[in-house]
Amino acid sequence: GAVVSQHPSWVICKSGTSVKIECRSLDFQATTMFWYRQFPKQSLMLMATSNEGSKATYEQGVEKDKFLINHASLTLSTLTVTSAHPEDSSFYICSASRRAVQSYEQYFGPGTRLTVT
Amino acid sequence: EDQVTQSPEALRLQEGESSSLNCSYTVSGLRGLFWYRQDPGKGPEFLFTLYSAGEEKEKERLKATLTKKESFLHITAPKPEDSATYLCAVQQGASNDYKLSFGAGTTVTVRA
Repeated sequence: GAVVSQHPSWVICKSGTSVKIECRSLDFQATTMFWYRQFPKQSLMLMATSNEGSKATYEQGVEKDKFLINHASLTLSTLTVTSAHPEDSSFYICSASRRAVQSYEQYFGPGTRLTVT
Repeated sequence: EDQVTQSPEALRLQEGESSSLNCSYTVSGLRGLFWYRQDPGKGPEFLFTLYSAGEEKEKERLKATLTKKESFLHITAPKPEDSATYLCAVQQGASNDYKLSFGAGTTVTVRA
């Protein structure tokens, strides 16, 4: 159990266009999902916390108008990178939160490689 | 502010050569400490959650332990397929958002 999928697994887009990435929890419901960004040979950087039915909470320095997050159901969150530029090229990973004994455990998707040309 | 420090940064092992990875943490009220494994180009894979000092968990060749200031991930008789980056993360007890603070990771390479 605790399977999280992401789609697409990789995408190439032209500068100025928008790209949508989907994150789904396949076998459990997740009231909270998280979006991370990872640069080569670095650890995960949290971008935002997404709660079902409410606005996302963005980390300091993350532009909310550029990275639009929607969490419309208990199994689906989407990240839209608007007006993408080459510096937005990165590995984007989502996680879905599931209740555990004393905490909430995060289960990660396989990631989406975004390349902006 | 939560701090998570992992050491060493990289570890090269011969197949069968057991070793340990360290995760030191500073957090205001630990809710949980998490270990993940990440292969290149993939998302992290959940391994363990530890809640209190003295707790231990095992999975195949991996064993995680927890003290009040650090956690260890022991790899017993590693195989080449254990090569990966191992990430440690903490969750603060006082917050309601259940965010994780990650360490930089330890990259383990096991040679046959």
